[in-house]
Amino acid sequence: EVHLLESGGGLVQPGGSLRLSCSASDSLFSSYTLHWVRQAPGKGLEYVSTITTHGGYTYHADSVKGRFTISRDNSKNTLYLQMTRLRTEDTAVYFCANLRDKWGQGTLVTVSS
Amino acid sequence: NFVLTQPHSVSESSGKTVTISCTRSTGSIASDFVQWYQQRPGSAPTTVMFENNQRPSGVPDRFSGSIDSSSNSASLTISGLKPEDEADYYCQSYDSNNQPPWVFGGGTKLTVL
Repeated sequence: EVHLLESGGGLVQPGGSLRLSCSASDSLFSSYTLHWVRQAPGKGLEYVSTITTHGGYTYHADSVKGRFTISRDNSKNTLYLQMTRLRTEDTAVYFCANLRDKWGQGTLVTVSS
Repeated sequence: NFVLTQPHSVSESSGKTVTISCTRSTGSIASDFVQWYQQRPGSAPTTVMFENNQRPSGVPDRFSGSIDSSSNSASLTISGLKPEDEADYYCQSYDSNNQPPWVFGGGTKLTVL
């Protein structure tokens, strides 16, 4: 069974950058279209970004378009989210998921001065 | 763009049955699969239903999913309610014509009395 594990969260100042990673436990990782979903404190789930199995197609929500970039390295079973020009409203727990039956445990990103 | 609307909260007594609805605003609920996620306080989401009515391994058969074209809604039904079922529940679906294509409902807080 594939398990997803996020890392890379932390405290960053507005305007700063951060790269999140999501590692999978086995090679079935490469068969999944994968997504980043976030949850601001006390709020619901919000869609962020998507990448298809071999990275040929990516999609970003309007709220992060031009600032966040999703990518993956199937040889390392790892998904990434490069976040730049961070804003206070990006503060959230970020989850990776296949939106079918796999979710990670989340990593907290706090954007604050 | 379509929206998935869920009741803000539902409550029911332990041992009873509860149904959580998820109504699609435009387009047919049957045009793409609906997933349901459970999120207990302080935890990551987990999938309790995918592809409308498929349970991941480990999810008890007390959980069932369905769609109803007449009301353009999906439903998650939990029978024999247990205290551990108390959680937030989110529906999610997809439409390639939507921006973004992946859409989450606002979530329903289930309280088990």
